[in-house]
Amino acid sequence: EDKVVQSPLSLVVHEGDTVTLNCSYEVTNFRSLLWYKQEKKAPTFLFMLTSSGIEKKSGRLSSILDKKELFSILNITATQTGDSAVYLCAVGNNNAGNMLTFGGGTRLMVKP
Amino acid sequence: DAGVIQSPRHEVTEMGQEVTLRCKPISGHDYLFWYRQTMMRGLELLIYFNNNVPIDDSGMPEDRFSAKMPNASFSTLKIQPSEPRDSAVYFCASSPPRAGFYNEQFFGPGTRLTVL
Repeated sequence: EDKVVQSPLSLVVHEGDTVTLNCSYEVTNFRSLLWYKQEKKAPTFLFMLTSSGIEKKSGRLSSILDKKELFSILNITATQTGDSAVYLCAVGNNNAGNMLTFGGGTRLMVKP
Repeated sequence: DAGVIQSPRHEVTEMGQEVTLRCKPISGHDYLFWYRQTMMRGLELLIYFNNNVPIDDSGMPEDRFSAKMPNASFSTLKIQPSEPRDSAVYFCASSPPRAGFYNEQFFGPGTRLTVL
């Protein structure tokens, strides 16, 4: 059974801080790893990673995948209160169509 | 495109009543997923369809839950009879045809279900 574990469970920082969120996984036939941001409503897509060592960037957010050690990190620099959300990591399995297995999420709170 | 559409957005019902949640996926997407989210258990996959056919329903908690997809543009999740422990946010998501590594899922706004 595929498994995704995220850490920390929750995090409180102040505006301007840099945070690193962790995602480790076990999957029988890895296809991709995805990061989602969930505020008060539905999860919204951030990144999809398929290859090790290639950093994906979008503004202050970046992510990288290590397929050898089976983990990914999501970095947020110069955090803002609008970054407060739950960040979800999910993995796709080549044997399971477009199904994703989600981790429990990291709840980030950014204080002014 | 309007994105994934779910209805109702909120549902409050009494224990024992039947509840039907509805979902319209993004046009052209051939995968549809039903999730349940609670504080305690996070985001759980209940069932998913490919080309209107249920592929994996191992996440459906018990026989009180059933899901159908009569055509490519509509799916329902039914709970009968409902119980207080079914209270959660239910998300529907869709995904385009499998092409390479692309398996991003697009989520609907969710239905917040409260069973009293």
